[in-house]
Amino acid sequence: AQKVTQAQTEISVVEKEDVTLDCVYETRDTTYYLFWYKQPPSGELVFLIRRNSFDEQNEISGRYSWNFQKSTSSFNFTITASQVVDSAVYFCALSEARSGGSNYKLTFGKGTLLTVNP
Amino acid sequence: NAGVTQTPKFQVLKTGQSMTLQCAQDMNHNSMYWYRQDPGMGLRLIYYSASEGTTDKGEVPNGYNVSRLNKREFSLRLESAAPSQTSVYFCASSIETAFGYGYTFGSGTRLTVV
Repeated sequence: AQKVTQAQTEISVVEKEDVTLDCVYETRDTTYYLFWYKQPPSGELVFLIRRNSFDEQNEISGRYSWNFQKSTSSFNFTITASQVVDSAVYFCALSEARSGGSNYKLTFGKGTLLTVNP
Repeated sequence: NAGVTQTPKFQVLKTGQSMTLQCAQDMNHNSMYWYRQDPGMGLRLIYYSASEGTTDKGEVPNGYNVSRLNKREFSLRLESAAPSQTSVYFCASSIETAFGYGYTFGSGTRLTVV
């Protein structure tokens, strides 16, 4: 069974600090996808990134960056120069990747509540 | 607008009442899902449907039933609501693409059982 662990339940930082959200996953599959979602106080789930298990390149998108390391089964997310608008719950998630157009259940971590204080 | 539409957005039920949460997607996705979100627990899968005509249990199916009415619609029914079913419910759909799985989530239904 697949599992996602986000050990940090809550993080509080002051604006402009850098912050890293940790995600560790377990899966028996060799092919899988990893995701990060943001859930702001309004409640909707906002897709941030998808990474497949064959692509270990780090990714940067503006102030956001992701570090994927298969050797440690981790997919960490860093926000550089945090802003108050970054305050949200962040979820890491994992899906197996089976071909054929069938479902692939997304398994979520419990989330990390990030509070960025002015 | 394309996406996943959930109704209602808010609902208050009394213990023992029944209700159906509706979900529809217009993206021609094969797979659909119901999740519940509770504080500190993340999103947990209740039921999913790999394709029209099939449904399977997820992690927390007890107290729920589902119907995949057609490719677009996937409903979640609470036959006899209990306070433990107070939660935010998300419907989602997915499709496999050349770039991997894409998931789309509805905006959620906040259900309170009193």
